[in-house]
Amino acid sequence: NAGVTQTPKFQVLKTGQSMTLQCAQDMNHEYMSWYRQDPGMGLRLIHYSVGAGITDQGEVPNGYNVSRSTTEDFPLRLLSAAPSQTSVYFCASSYSVGIEAGEMNTGELFFGEGSRLTVL
Amino acid sequence: DAKTTQPNSMESNEEEPVHLPCNHSTISGTDYIHWYRQLPSQGPEYVIHGLTSNVNNRMASLAIAEDRKSSTLILHRATLRDAAVYYCILRDVVEYGNKLVFGAGTILRVKS
Repeated sequence: NAGVTQTPKFQVLKTGQSMTLQCAQDMNHEYMSWYRQDPGMGLRLIHYSVGAGITDQGEVPNGYNVSRSTTEDFPLRLLSAAPSQTSVYFCASSYSVGIEAGEMNTGELFFGEGSRLTVL
Repeated sequence: DAKTTQPNSMESNEEEPVHLPCNHSTISGTDYIHWYRQLPSQGPEYVIHGLTSNVNNRMASLAIAEDRKSSTLILHRATLRDAAVYYCILRDVVEYGNKLVFGAGTILRVKS
């Protein structure tokens, strides 16, 4: 069982370049999200999705785009990379929880191994 | 979102119990208390969660104050592999999805 798979694990970009961080999960999870983690800090939510075709902004969405065309995939696009986007990026997925979910599961959020991005 | 407050760091000896505190004085009646931990160079992993009653699982125990304004994650016998950043997070059960807001967490150091 692969879980949450992120690619690439490492990437170096020049300022102004664009790229896409890939995230795929094989657990049929409705909910997927992207976080960034800067040195010595906690994770900050960039974008999230509660199902295919539905996305929403988190705390720090500027400079990033997402789409959710399938349940399995949730790519994160950097349109014009900036040095401030140097960070470690984590993708996470889970079953959706909450009253509307209709069942009380743990809401365990599964994380990928991270993608380390450096923008020069 | 209701906020949590955790000590920046704590230290423990190997094989001893560890009590990691978390204050959440503005918790609402629909907030679950979640704990995650992040080992070095890895993504966070789920530890435990609860609403009102104390909870136990294979990894840890969660003790929740009667007024729910604070909670404590208990590792019964710390090992070197428990050295990590521990995050205490509140999740609103009313909100559909699973949007979790991570704070800075507590860095746990375990001495051999």
